[in-house]
Amino acid sequence: AQKITQTQPGMFVQEKEAVTLDCTYDTSDQSYGLFWYKQPSSGEMIFLIYQGSYDEQNATEGRYSLNFQKARKSANLVISASQLGDSAMYFCAMRDTGGGNKLTFGTGTQLKVEL
Amino acid sequence: EADIYQTPRYLVIGTGKKITLECSQTMGHDKMYWYQQDPGMELHLIHYSYGVNSTEKGDLSSESTVSRIRTEHFPLTLESARPSHTSQYLCASSESSGGLQETQYFGPGTRLLVL
Repeated sequence: AQKITQTQPGMFVQEKEAVTLDCTYDTSDQSYGLFWYKQPSSGEMIFLIYQGSYDEQNATEGRYSLNFQKARKSANLVISASQLGDSAMYFCAMRDTGGGNKLTFGTGTQLKVEL
Repeated sequence: EADIYQTPRYLVIGTGKKITLECSQTMGHDKMYWYQQDPGMELHLIHYSYGVNSTEKGDLSSESTVSRIRTEHFPLTLESARPSHTSQYLCASSESSGGLQETQYFGPGTRLLVL
């Protein structure tokens, strides 16, 4: 069964610093996709970045990058130059064919950016 | 990015009432989803639809029902609300790319409180 683990319930980072949010996954499939979403206190889920299992390079989207280590089954999100507006809940999610192509979400990490 | 709308944003209602949570998207996406999320917790898929007149139950058992009569509209109904239904309900949609990269775009959510 597919599973996503986010071991950091909460993280603090100072403004302008970089922060890494951890995500490990478990799947027996060779083909899978990994997603990160941001959920501000207002409640909506905002798509940030995607990494495919066969992508040779780590995905990047602006200040977001994904540190993909396939052998370790980890897909950590790196946010560079943190801003106050980055304070939110962050969810890692995975889709694989074994899961019926449905998204499975982790429990999330609450990030707080401080001055 | 999908334009996806949910109403109401907040709902406080008494036990035993029938409620319908509305979800509409304007991007013509074939696939639509309903997730349930307790505060600070992961998302659980409760219903999904891959097209008009197609609905399936998700991984988390729910007493709610859904319908998909039009592509853009995917309402969720609770015939008799109970306090255990108190949660946030998130609607999402995605384009049928058939691939693992298929991204789900979320609405702002409905926060339901049943007294």
